[in-house]
Amino acid sequence: AQKITQTQPGMFVQEKEAVTLDCTYDTSDQSYGLFWYKQPSSGEMIFLIYQGSYDEQNATEGRYSLNFQKARKSTNLVISASQLGDSAMYFCAMREGTNDMRFGAGTRLTVKP
Amino acid sequence: GAVVSQHPSWVICKSGTSVKIECRSLDFQATTMFWYRQFPKQSLMLMATSNEGSKATYEQGVEKDKFLINHASLTLSTLTVTSAHPEDSSFYICSAPRDRGWDTQYFGPGTRLTVL
Repeated sequence: AQKITQTQPGMFVQEKEAVTLDCTYDTSDQSYGLFWYKQPSSGEMIFLIYQGSYDEQNATEGRYSLNFQKARKSTNLVISASQLGDSAMYFCAMREGTNDMRFGAGTRLTVKP
Repeated sequence: GAVVSQHPSWVICKSGTSVKIECRSLDFQATTMFWYRQFPKQSLMLMATSNEGSKATYEQGVEKDKFLINHASLTLSTLTVTSAHPEDSSFYICSAPRDRGWDTQYFGPGTRLTVL
């Protein structure tokens, strides 16, 4: 069963505007971690932000922030003040306990000038 | 700077040959490393978990005799694609959690394998 769901195959945003990328997950574990990675055309996986299941506050890292709604099992990534360099694939991932990390299908973000 | 390296970054080989891909943690010890495969326009799919000092754990559907994994030391894991075929052409990425809390997992830059 799919544990990580990203329902937006592609998203467009105007430069300097904010964009939200959706991600929902499914787990029965109490301890888990949620991650977002950016993958540009070069293929490298760039770590963006992390949210632990026990974290009460939404994680923020510079222009990246998470809208973590535990009851809804969603962890949406908000990118503020989009830049042209933000155009890339974005993957949501989850780790249950100390197990391996599983990825969603990804969202391709295109920033328009 | 990069904390996980992979070598080679790309490789082209003939069908039937074997290819070895190295994954190194540069400034930390990794008792566990993960190997992923990514086909074009798809997500990363976990192939196997590499454990230092013990056998690798393979995901369902991944042939352990075809994808040999050796976690030789606390900083090195290798993936050998044996008797490669064109359908093995893919982007192979390794990763390693950095600390005990596992809230940070670094990825290597990936290896693009093309089998002719």
